[in-house]
Amino acid sequence: DSGVTQTPKHLITATGQRVTLRCSPRSGDLSVYWYQQSLDQGLQFLIHYYNGEERAKGNILERFSAQQFPDLHSELNLSSLELGDSALYFCASSVEVSYTEAFFGQGTRLTVV
Amino acid sequence: DAKTTQPPSMDCAEGRAANLPCNHSTISGNEYVYWYRQIHSQGPQYIIHGLKNNETNEMASLIITEDRKSSTLILPHATLRDTAVYYCIVINGPPETSGSRLTFGEGTQLTVNP
Repeated sequence: DSGVTQTPKHLITATGQRVTLRCSPRSGDLSVYWYQQSLDQGLQFLIHYYNGEERAKGNILERFSAQQFPDLHSELNLSSLELGDSALYFCASSVEVSYTEAFFGQGTRLTVV
Repeated sequence: DAKTTQPPSMDCAEGRAANLPCNHSTISGNEYVYWYRQIHSQGPQYIIHGLKNNETNEMASLIITEDRKSSTLILPHATLRDTAVYYCIVINGPPETSGSRLTFGEGTQLTVNP
């Protein structure tokens, strides 16, 4: 158990819908990272928050947004969902803004039908 | 961040040492070598990292060549549960760098056979 909690574990939704994925980082970790893993793309970095502020963006679509709340949990919002958004979405946390080591949650498997 | 090259797959017999190579010939002086692994569809798991010196922890050993252009992750006594994709990643380490994050390549699929 990494200490990073992601909910829900599985999500099935229809195209055009909007979903919210939630991540609770390890206690004391200020950084939260979101990654997407689809079959044909591998693990892709989406976005990084540190202590409530956005620090880096990767290959995140405009239909996707994220935020980190004062209690340090984070949410990833995916809207106007397409079939191609079906993937595993991982959250990771680390203590610092720069890497020491990151701890990943077990992921949310999103299926868009 | 420096690019890494890893073999796509390797096999290892259970109980033997697994030696996973990684080439990072363009690594710069302030870049660290990190190793993660991902067991099928689970979240990636941190294994070890290093800058110049060899490192060892309860999971593995990391051997970095003197010129730092390559490294080897060693699992001393591989078990079936070590079957996973192993990722070698090179990134800027501390002090803080804005936008620091892990960039995963294809990794090496290690299969430990009974």
